[in-house]
Amino acid sequence: AQKVTQAQTEISVVEKEDVTLDCVYETRDTTYYLFWYKQPPSGELVFLIRRNSFDEQNEISGRYSWNFQKSTSSFNFTITASQVVDSAVYFCALRLTGGYQKVTFGIGTKLQVIP
Amino acid sequence: DVKVTQSSRYLVKRTGEKVFLECVQDMDHENMFWYRQDPGLGLRLIYFSYDVKMKEKGDIPEGYSVSREKKERFSLILESASTNQTSMYLCASSIPPGTSISSSGANVLTFGAGSRLTVL
Repeated sequence: AQKVTQAQTEISVVEKEDVTLDCVYETRDTTYYLFWYKQPPSGELVFLIRRNSFDEQNEISGRYSWNFQKSTSSFNFTITASQVVDSAVYFCALRLTGGYQKVTFGIGTKLQVIP
Repeated sequence: DVKVTQSSRYLVKRTGEKVFLECVQDMDHENMFWYRQDPGLGLRLIYFSYDVKMKEKGDIPEGYSVSREKKERFSLILESASTNQTSMYLCASSIPPGTSISSSGANVLTFGAGSRLTVL
């Protein structure tokens, strides 16, 4: 069975600081997808990124960047120069490939960016 | 844009009542899901469906059932609501798992706004 661990339950940073959200996953499968979702105070989860297990290339999108390392089973998310609008709960998730596989979510990290 | 609409944003029910949570998506997605979200537990999968009239149990199906009579609609049913079912319920949909791994939308969940259920 797969598992996703987000050890940081809550993080507070001051605006403009950089912050990294950790995600560690467990699976015996060699092919899978990893995701990050954002849940702002309004409640609706929004997809941020999907990464395939055979693509370890890091990705940057504006102030967001993701570091995928299969050797440590980690898929960490960094926000550079944080803003108040980044305040949300962030979920890391894992889905195996093949067939009708469910998505396993971590418990989420609540990020508060203080002005 | 894909839209997943959950019929009720807030509900208050009494113990023992039958509760229906409705979810409709407008992008012809085959897969639909029901999760519940609780503090400290994250999102847990209750049921999912990969086609009309098809359903699969998730991690916590006890006390719930589902119905998928039409492709766009996936209903979650609490046959006899209990206080421990007080939670936020999230519906999601996605394109089929057989979609090419290179497809930008493959396996991405699109969520509704959630239904917060309180059982008294």
